Amino acid sequence: GQQLNQSPQSMFIQEGEDVSMNCTSSSIFNTWLWYKQDPGEGPVLLIALYKAGELTSNGRLTAQFGITRKDSFLNISASIPSDVGIYFCAGQLWYNQGGKLIFGQGTELSVKP
Amino acid sequence: GAVVSQHPSWVICKSGTSVKIECRSLDFQATTMFWYRQFPKQSLMLMATSNEGSKATYEQGVEKDKFLINHASLTLSTLTVTSAHPEDSSFYICSARDADSTDTQYFGPGTRLTVL
Repeated sequence: GQQLNQSPQSMFIQEGEDVSMNCTSSSIFNTWLWYKQDPGEGPVLLIALYKAGELTSNGRLTAQFGITRKDSFLNISASIPSDVGIYFCAGQLWYNQGGKLIFGQGTELSVKP
Repeated sequence: GAVVSQHPSWVICKSGTSVKIECRSLDFQATTMFWYRQFPKQSLMLMATSNEGSKATYEQGVEKDKFLINHASLTLSTLTVTSAHPEDSSFYICSARDADSTDTQYFGPGTRLTVL
């Protein structure tokens, strides 16, 4: 099925470092979302972006909706051990697509204390 | 906040049997629910879109006769895996769309299916 290109696939960082990950697509999306998934659980919504160029923060997390509507990035500042998990970007479709989500491949984040 | 539950959280069954998984939106009404499948170390793949009171819309390559979806109320959708086989073993996750709140999708905790 259709997927977004998310990178990097994995990151190993030291506690306190900043993290950046991004997603690109050949298609335009109406909404970009970022989710975090812990092992054995469902994804939890971190940030939702609704307008091209929009920059939104949620605590130490900041995400932007690319101006072309084909990309988005997520930054995590001053990482802590509980940031460990898999982060997924998702593009949301509208216009007769029922609002379904297309997910990136995920970025697995490991934080060393 | 919006809460979505799934039941059971895990199930082990014998090959050839059918398994039903429930997805409930606990504090909001969801006219649309989605079913995803996730294999280990992979992303979520949409299987079907479930609309209350109408037939589900399946993604290409997903067998509608094998994965039966029923969305009989605004808070409940069920996925039945019929005649399960070991290759159906996966993590099944539902999401519910809150139409009253920016159409955000909230995910359930997932159901781990193991077919022996």
